[in-house]
Amino acid sequence: DIVMTQSPDSLAVSLGERATFNCKSSQSVLYSSNNMNYLAWYQQKPGQPPKLLIYWASTRESGVPDRFSGSGSGTDFTLAISSLQAEDVAVYYCQQYYDTPFTFGPGTKVDIK
Amino acid sequence: QVQLVQSGSELKVPGASVKVSCKATGYTFTKYAINWVRQAPGQGLEWMGWIDTDTGNPMYAQGFRGRFVFSLDTSVSTAYLQISSLKAEDTAVYYCAKIQGGGNMFDQWGQGTLVTVSS
Repeated sequence: DIVMTQSPDSLAVSLGERATFNCKSSQSVLYSSNNMNYLAWYQQKPGQPPKLLIYWASTRESGVPDRFSGSGSGTDFTLAISSLQAEDVAVYYCQQYYDTPFTFGPGTKVDIK
Repeated sequence: QVQLVQSGSELKVPGASVKVSCKATGYTFTKYAINWVRQAPGQGLEWMGWIDTDTGNPMYAQGFRGRFVFSLDTSVSTAYLQISSLKAEDTAVYYCAKIQGGGNMFDQWGQGTLVTVSS
């Protein structure tokens, strides 16, 4: 199984400041035949289901604000929020869909400082 | 619009069974697989497996083989998760989620069903 790890476990950022957090996979999720990274990011607010933010490591889902951006390739990935808003308080999970079982990271909790 | 609507919360005693439903609207149900994801209280997301909504063929993650059964009723665009011989550690929110189609990312999620197992 591909093991996903995330860092930090939590972080607190001031409103309007940049937040970045990381995701690492135990093996590459880059599929060589199409040069795509099979990596997604989800946002989960309290009491709500997860919401797809980013897929193919860097493609924003329709309707997701452009302050969210994803980067990275192979085994190391980053999600950035360029200017943190109050509504961005949530837990953020990365997930690989390169191979079954599809696995999630343990999440990074983002709060306002 | 695309929606997955799940059945309501359940309270069960240990040893009982439960069946959670996930009704899809707004798209052709048989085009995209439905995944099931478990979230224990205060914990992260755990993929349980998926069911091919075209063939009905399920795939279960390790740890979800035996007591967990995925099924479909395509006539009403609904997927089901049945858990038998419930244990206290099955207490969790269970989500259904459809794949996007261009890849196996989960682009639409149900609202979740809380299953509580307690005597």
